[in-house]
Amino acid sequence: AQSVAQPEDQVNVAEGNPLTVKCTYSVSGNPYLFWYVQYPNRGLQFLLKYITGDNLVKGSYGFEAEFNKSQTSFHLKKPSALVSDSALYFCAVRAFSSGSARQLTFGSGTQLTVLP
Amino acid sequence: DVKVTQSSRYLVKRTGEKVFLECVQDMDHENMFWYRQDPGLGLRLIYFSYDVKMKEKGDIPEGYSVSREKKERFSLILESASTNQTSMYLCASSQGQGAPPLHFGNGTRLTVT
Repeated sequence: AQSVAQPEDQVNVAEGNPLTVKCTYSVSGNPYLFWYVQYPNRGLQFLLKYITGDNLVKGSYGFEAEFNKSQTSFHLKKPSALVSDSALYFCAVRAFSSGSARQLTFGSGTQLTVLP
Repeated sequence: DVKVTQSSRYLVKRTGEKVFLECVQDMDHENMFWYRQDPGLGLRLIYFSYDVKMKEKGDIPEGYSVSREKKERFSLILESASTNQTSMYLCASSQGQGAPPLHFGNGTRLTVT
C-alpha cells in the first residue's frame, strides 16, 4: 500500500528566511508526486508535480520541490518566505504505473506559519 | 480559469436527515472527485467519477452515495446523516484519463447535530 508522511504538523519560519516543508513517501515503482496548498477558508490549490526528469521541480508562487529517490522524499522549498505563504500544505503520491486517478494518497498536512 | 463551485459553504443538518452536497465545474472536465478533510487525516477520497453516470468508490464510501447525471455536476449524498460525518467536504475536477485532482472548490463545512 502506498503512503505519505509529513513529519511536521507545524512549521514556523521568519519572513525572508528559506522554508522547507518535508514529505516522504512509500509507493510501488516510480512515484507521481504532488504538492497542494490550502489558504484559510479556501479549497486546495495545486502547486507543483513531479513525474520524471529533473529532480528539482518549480511550481507556483516561487515554490520548488526536490525529488530524492534514495531518501524517498519530496520536500517543498522556497528561498525566501512571505507572510502570505502561511497556509496548510499537503503532499500526495500515486504510483506512476497506476492508471487510475483515484489512487492518490494525501499526507496529513503541514501548517506553515511565516512570522513577520 | 477553471471554476469548481460548491453550492454551500456551511451546512448544519440533524442526525438522520438526507443531505445533498452539490458541485459544479465549468470546464467540461471528465473527472470529478469528492474528498473529506479532517484534521490530522489529510484528504480521504469518498467517490470518484470519470464520466457521466460512471463512478468508483474511494477509500471511505460507507454512508455516502453520488450522482453524476450531467458532466458538469457531481452530487454527494448522505443518505442518513450521522454525527461522525461532520467534516469539511471538498469537490475537485481534472481532465484526462488518470489525471489526479487539480481544481478544487472552496469546500462545504457540514455539521451534523
